[in-house]
Amino acid sequence: EPEVTQTPSHQVTQMGQEVILRCVPISNHLYFYWYRQILGQKVEFLVSFYNNEISEKSEIFDDQFSVERPDGSNFTLKIRSTKLEDSAMYFCATRPGLAGPSTQYFGPGTRLLVL
Amino acid sequence: DQQVKQNSPSLSVQEGRISILNCDYTNSMFDYFLWYKKYPAEGPTFLISISSIKDKNEDGRFTVFLNKSAKHLSLHIVPSQPGDSAVYFCAAKGSSNTGKLIFGQGTTLQVKP
Repeated sequence: EPEVTQTPSHQVTQMGQEVILRCVPISNHLYFYWYRQILGQKVEFLVSFYNNEISEKSEIFDDQFSVERPDGSNFTLKIRSTKLEDSAMYFCATRPGLAGPSTQYFGPGTRLLVL
Repeated sequence: DQQVKQNSPSLSVQEGRISILNCDYTNSMFDYFLWYKKYPAEGPTFLISISSIKDKNEDGRFTVFLNKSAKHLSLHIVPSQPGDSAVYFCAAKGSSNTGKLIFGQGTTLQVKP
């Protein structure tokens, strides 16, 4: 069964450094999402991406965050200058498209620790 | 803004019995609801979903019930198995057409052998 994959599984970085989290979506899916889960809290929506542009973003997704799909396969989340409070699990999710089922399929996550 | 709430942080049941996990929501514009299961250090795994035009959906041991007038849904697992022990998240598809999901806080289910 096709899966969403994410790399790296763990990332430790110093405050102020840039990080790039990578996701390979399921091949025929058209909608891509990033969510995060701070330890002990609920899973929160960050951003949705469709047709090579952001379709919606949350208040969390400020100017320090960006997403792109540089090569038509990888879907990346960049945090330009990390803060301590960015420490969380980051999940990529994908779905077939608006006309298809609304189910989103999640990757295994990247655990980001900012020191 | 807690649009989706799971008021029970944890639930413990005996193997073979029924597990009932509950979820409440506040936004009547939600049109699709999902349940995900999550193990530690893994991503949420899709379990079952229901459209707002239905009141029940069944898949094997899992059944989701939707009560729109009460803005309440529940997940029934029968019979419960020790491998079902995990965190269960209720999620609702937001009213925007981007399909973003709004999650509850999760309920930790422990199924005792």
